[in-house]
Amino acid sequence: SQQGEEDPQALSIQEGENATMNCSYKTSINNLQWYRQNSGRGLVHLILIRSNEREKHSGRLRVTLDTSKKSSSLLITASRAADTASYFCATSQTITGANSKLTFGKGITLSVRP
Amino acid sequence: DAGVTQSPTHLIKTRGQQVTLRCSPISGHKSVSWYQQVLGQGPQFIFQYYEKEERGRGNFPDRFSARQFPNYSSELNVNALLLGDSALYLCASSFEIGKNIQYFGAGTRLSVL
Repeated sequence: SQQGEEDPQALSIQEGENATMNCSYKTSINNLQWYRQNSGRGLVHLILIRSNEREKHSGRLRVTLDTSKKSSSLLITASRAADTASYFCATSQTITGANSKLTFGKGITLSVRP
Repeated sequence: DAGVTQSPTHLIKTRGQQVTLRCSPISGHKSVSWYQQVLGQGPQFIFQYYEKEERGRGNFPDRFSARQFPNYSSELNVNALLLGDSALYLCASSFEIGKNIQYFGAGTRLSVL
């Protein structure tokens, strides 16, 4: 079952604009991670935010986490055509003890027009 | 340094057959997880292995099995293939088990005819 639900499902913007993607989840988490996937291939890890953090930056990426609302947002500033990809949020939950698994949403398709 | 490597890249099987997918983790990583990604969906957790032991299993039938070897590489086996098993199978490795970043391979695209 999908834990994270991303919004919107698809986003089309002009190069240079900012892209904001949202993710909501249902159960308590250890951390939340964002991944990028190009053309149905492997996932590339973008950024991880822990449950006790509220905001994190990495280059042109800014992620926020609101555990009270069970939601996160990913902002990509000054988008480039190369940012065109599918983006997934993934929540890390404890299975048993120290074991944990990632649960992914359905993803957001971002298209950046040159 | 090499990333997570998976083989084969593509595979075509017919219903009822069996398939074995292979994964080599990043050097030094001890945990391997397997995910299934059906077209248009996000990856779904199948198994997690750490130090050759199964540490977690997703909601998949017993036709799916896996193992991890002493060198931390892993195999995913699927028996009695169904059309619905057609998907991209992703392997991910992490240094330890738990709350670490998982690094993904490029995946194996399985088509069941």
